[in-house]
Amino acid sequence: AQSVTQLGSHVSVSEGALVLLRCNYSSSVPPYLFWYVQYPNQGLQLLLKYTTGATLVKGINGFEAEFKKSETSFHLTKPSAHMSDAAEYFCAVSEYGGSQGNLIFGKGTKLSVKP
Amino acid sequence: SAVISQKPSRDICQRGTSLTIQCQVDSQVTMMFWYRQQPGQSLTLIATANQGSEATYESGFVIDKFPISRPNLTFSTLTVSNMSPEDSSIYLCSVGGFSDTIYFGEGSWLTVV
Repeated sequence: AQSVTQLGSHVSVSEGALVLLRCNYSSSVPPYLFWYVQYPNQGLQLLLKYTTGATLVKGINGFEAEFKKSETSFHLTKPSAHMSDAAEYFCAVSEYGGSQGNLIFGKGTKLSVKP
Repeated sequence: SAVISQKPSRDICQRGTSLTIQCQVDSQVTMMFWYRQQPGQSLTLIATANQGSEATYESGFVIDKFPISRPNLTFSTLTVSNMSPEDSSIYLCSVGGFSDTIYFGEGSWLTVV
């Protein structure tokens, strides 16, 4: 069965510092991987996704993630944190591969940005 | 892409009552998914709703508590029955298959008092 592990339930960085949110996955099929962001009192917004092809994927708001099959990882990064990045971030893997089905979510990482 | 509308966006409900959440998609989709996000938690799949067949429920969720309808390819409802404070959650619907992306509605935020 597919699973997602997000290391660190809470990450705190200073404004302008590197953001690194860790995600490891387990999948018995070629994975489709997603990062979503949830701002306070809002729904889920897609940040970026990996399906096939280029392993470094760029998303919205300056975020990017690299798919590393050998490490079964899909870590999310942003070179310079902004106060507006404070939110909860969820990594997810498609349960059956592809984008037709449901997602398995990690427990989430809450990002705080200090001025 | 897909645009998903959910109603209600928020509600405060009395315990023992039931509430039906609607999910409308602007395109035809085969499968729709309902998730629950309890306070401070991640998302958990409740069920998969296919048009023309019974919904498929995940372990821990039963039809009597969360009946689902799927009358056509653009619409689904989830009812939360006989609510208790433990049902206070965000309920989200989701669809996939558009540009290799899975989309979520804005969620329905339920508080049971």
